[in-house]
Amino acid sequence: SAVISQKPSRDICQRGTSLTIQCQVDSQVTMMFWYRQQPGQSLTLIATANQGSEATYESGFVIDKFPISRPNLTFSTLTVSNMSPEDSSIYLCSARRGGGSYEQYFGPGTRLTVT
Amino acid sequence: GNSVTQMEGPVTLSEEAFLTINCTYTATGYPSLFWYVQYPGEGLQLLLKATKADDKGSNKGFEATYRKETTSFHLEKGSVQVSDSAVYFCALSEGTSGSRLTFGEGTQLTVNP
Repeated sequence: SAVISQKPSRDICQRGTSLTIQCQVDSQVTMMFWYRQQPGQSLTLIATANQGSEATYESGFVIDKFPISRPNLTFSTLTVSNMSPEDSSIYLCSARRGGGSYEQYFGPGTRLTVT
Repeated sequence: GNSVTQMEGPVTLSEEAFLTINCTYTATGYPSLFWYVQYPGEGLQLLLKATKADDKGSNKGFEATYRKETTSFHLEKGSVQVSDSAVYFCALSEGTSGSRLTFGEGTQLTVNP
């Protein structure tokens, strides 16, 4: 398994501001992902964070709104830009070790409220 | 495309009751299947997995068998405890989809003493 930490654990932000969420894995991993979980909903993949190159975004998510960095094999950030109340969600980071195993391990999530 | 369908919740049981949460999937290839659990206020924890047909995943008294013929991966536990109260997510991952996880809607389980 992998131990994943996220910072901050929660935040309350004003409309129009930006928040950067950090994700740290305790060991090197092949792939890292960012998900959004809206209240009472399932998880939706935002993007795959690629080490050393631009993230791969899912349909409906764009780099200008959710810029992602991954400078090395254990760390990634997600920025939620120009926030609106509709961005209020839990944002989760996950990681996959690679090889033939497809399971992902998740961080505790960042609970974001936009007022 | 890939999809996962879970039984509708919420599910409320008494302690020591038998639990089944149904999960069926649609995939173009041969996916790996997972159950994740989310306790209140926490992230997701991997509960169990199965990577090929007829595999049985098990952990903490929970079991699920990969049934290719019925495209199902139902979660079962013989005797639930209050501490099992959580949201359970069925998910699949397929190599051709870039390893992304496709999740079901989640099933809220409440176990009463």
